[in-house]
This record gives sequence, structure tokens and C-alpha cells, in this order.
Amino acid sequence: GESVGLHLPTLSVQEGDNSIINCAYSNSASDYFIWYKQESGKGPQFIIDIRSNMDKRQGQRVTVLLNKTVKHLSLQIAATQPGDSAVYFCAETHSWGKLQFGAGTQVVVTP
Amino acid sequence: GAGVSQSPSNKVTEKGKDVELRCDPISGHTALYWYRQSLGQGLEFLIYFQGNSAPDKSGLPSDRFSAERTGGSVSTLTIQRTQQEDSAVYLCASGGDYNEQFFGPGTRLTVL
Repeated sequence: GESVGLHLPTLSVQEGDNSIINCAYSNSASDYFIWYKQESGKGPQFIIDIRSNMDKRQGQRVTVLLNKTVKHLSLQIAATQPGDSAVYFCAETHSWGKLQFGAGTQVVVTP
Repeated sequence: GAGVSQSPSNKVTEKGKDVELRCDPISGHTALYWYRQSLGQGLEFLIYFQGNSAPDKSGLPSDRFSAERTGGSVSTLTIQRTQQEDSAVYLCASGGDYNEQFFGPGTRLTVL
């Protein structure tokens, strides 16, 4: 798994702008990739997932892009709102078993 | 409908004591997972139950950690002889047919 430090990378974004959160994954055998949002004091909340045979998937205000060549995953949030402030984690799994999580990115939305 | 619930929400214990953490999954979900989240870090897999299959215990950090799932529903994570490095938020998730994992609010464990 990935090693992580005590300080999460932080993305500051102005309200109304688009956010892009990046993640590198490690396991070529992973067949699902998921983005979770975690607000302070709460458990992670599912945002969107993508299968390994896809390179793009869109949801409501969110888009996930998968680049298997470089093992890179990104989450785009359109028109970022104050309620989007949270820590965002990418996760990978094989056959929907245990999830392996990335380090997380703190998103701070400023007015 | 009710989501995943966990109890207690907070637990403070002394080093060397045993603790039990409880998870009530979403009714009907066959999969149940335990993860640990240390301060400011990502989530670390601990153990996974799927139906009546033998659990995947590959993430348990030591033999002081164990978990059981009774009747395919409620699960208890037990930590024996707690150490300060066990302090973390312990998160439970359950999964249904689609296997999307729904997380509970977690139990914050503090070992003094």
C-alpha cells in the first residue's frame, strides 16, 4: 500500500470554479476504482466509481477519469460549492473485495 | 432506511485493556468490512466478511485483533491488550448486491 504522512495535500478552490483531484493507484489487477468524500467526524461517502474497462464516467457535477497506462485516476467537480469541502479519497479494489485507499486530498472551498 | 451504525462512537481506554467495537450493517447486506483510520491518514483494511465464507483477515495488524460476525449480521471487532498505537478511528462498512460499500460513522478509540 501507499505510505502516507500526517499532512494531507490541500486543494484550495474558489466557489464556482472546477476542482480536479488526482490519485495514483498501485495495483494493475484492480478492476474498480472509487472516489469517496469524507467530512469531518463522518465515515466516507461514496461519490462515483469506474470500471477498469472504462476511461471516463460522469455523475451529477462529477466526472472520473481513468488512465490505466500511467495508473492515474482523477475526480473533477464542476462548479465547486462550500458543501464540497471535505477530504477526498480514491480507492481501488479487485472484484469488489477489500478497498485499498489512497492518501486523501483536503479540498477547501473559499467564497 | 437506516445506514450502518457503530457503537460506541467514542471509547477511551487504558493501555493493556481489551475493547470491543460493534457494527450493525445495513439489513440484508452480505458483505461487512472493518477499516482503521489513523489521524490524518487514509483508511487501512483490517478484515472482510462475505456471507458464510471464511473471512479475509489479511489486514489485521497483530493477533491482538480479532473480529466475528454473528448470524451474518452484527459484527464485533475485539482488540486485546490495547496499545497506544491502536488509537484510531475504526470504520465499518457493509455492501449489498452491487458491492458498493456504505460506511458507518466510526468509533474513535483512544488508548491512554
